Amino acid sequence: EPEVTQTPSHQVTQMGQEVILRCVPISNHLYFYWYRQILGQKVEFLVSFYNNEISEKSEIFDDQFSVERPDGSNFTLKIRSTKLEDSAMYFCASGVYMRQPQHFGDGTRLSIL
Amino acid sequence: KQEVTQIPAALSVPEGENLVLNCSFTDSAIYNLQWFRQDPGKGLTSLLLIQSSQREQTSGRLNASLDKSSGRSTLYIAASQPGDSATYLCAGEETSGSRLTFGEGTQLTVNP
Repeated sequence: EPEVTQTPSHQVTQMGQEVILRCVPISNHLYFYWYRQILGQKVEFLVSFYNNEISEKSEIFDDQFSVERPDGSNFTLKIRSTKLEDSAMYFCASGVYMRQPQHFGDGTRLSIL
Repeated sequence: KQEVTQIPAALSVPEGENLVLNCSFTDSAIYNLQWFRQDPGKGLTSLLLIQSSQREQTSGRLNASLDKSSGRSTLYIAASQPGDSATYLCAGEETSGSRLTFGEGTQLTVNP
């Protein structure tokens, strides 16, 4: 069964460094998402992406964050200057279209030192 | 702002028992409700999606219901098995966009 894949599974970065998290959504899906889950807290929405542009973003998704679909298969989340509070599990998800089930990857655990 | 709450936070049952997990949401402007399973250190596995025009959805031993007027959804698991042990999350997608708003989850343990 097709699945969303994320790399790396664990990323350790010094505070202030840039980090790029990578995702390969399911191939026929058109909507792409990033969510994060801080340890012990709820899963939180960051951003949705459709037709090569952001369709919706949360208040968490400030100027430090950006997303890109550099080619036909990858979907990336960049954090420009990481902070300690960015430490979390970051999940990528994709859906055939909006209002359809969102399918999640296994996540990237980001640890900021 | 949509708030999603799940009760109980944790549940431990003996194998074979039928059980119900509860999810409530504050804003009835919800387009659909999705239930997920999360195993430790893993991502979220989609179990069922109920659209606002539906009252329930079934998949195998799972049955999910949605009552928008009362702001509630339930996930019924029949004949529970140890392999059902996981955290179960519900998430609502609002009519105004495609973001999912998640509950805190219910950690289920099924004892052999």
